[in-house]
Amino acid sequence: SAVISQKPSRDICQRGTSLTIQCQVDSQVTMMFWYRQQPGQSLTLIATANQGSEATYESGFVIDKFPISRPNLTFSTLTVSNMSPEDSSIYLCSVEGGRVGELFFGEGSRLTVL
Amino acid sequence: AQTVTQSQPEMSVQEAETVTLSCTYDTSESDYYLFWYKQPPSRQMILVIRQEAYKQQNATENRFSVNFQKAAKSFSLKISDSQLGDAAMYFCAYRTLGGSNYKLTFGKGTLLTVNP
Repeated sequence: SAVISQKPSRDICQRGTSLTIQCQVDSQVTMMFWYRQQPGQSLTLIATANQGSEATYESGFVIDKFPISRPNLTFSTLTVSNMSPEDSSIYLCSVEGGRVGELFFGEGSRLTVL
Repeated sequence: AQTVTQSQPEMSVQEAETVTLSCTYDTSESDYYLFWYKQPPSRQMILVIRQEAYKQQNATENRFSVNFQKAAKSFSLKISDSQLGDAAMYFCAYRTLGGSNYKLTFGKGTLLTVNP
């Protein structure tokens, strides 16, 4: 198993500002995943972050809006840039466990954009 | 593209009773993985059960079991002897078998309430 810590757990942000979410894992992992969970909706993969390379973004998500850093094998950040109320969501960091598709998640970062 | 549909936004069950959550999916692939994830009110998602499509036998984990109907593309979750701690949002998810695509596709979830 993996223990994942996310910061902040929640925040209220002003329109047009940016916020960086941190994700720390208690073990070294090759890939880290960032998901978005909009109110009343399912989880949607934003991007996959590999250490030492550019993140891979899913359709509908772009690096300028969601820049990601992956400086080492236990840490990643996701920035939500130039926020609008539509960005109000829970953002979740996750890593894959020993079995295919077994994801471990952080507790999420709930962002509210006013 | 794969899609996952959970037709029950909310379900309720009495403690100690059995409840079944429905999930259907759409895919053109023959081999894949299916999952049920649980998200309690604290929001940390955890894996409940996992099924490999090439295995005909339904997966079981203690009080949790699935009914996997590959031809019908149906993957329901049965919770037996429901407990108060089972109250959570349950998500059905799909993953392609291999390659470099690690993406899980999730349904919209079913909110399960357990009544004492």
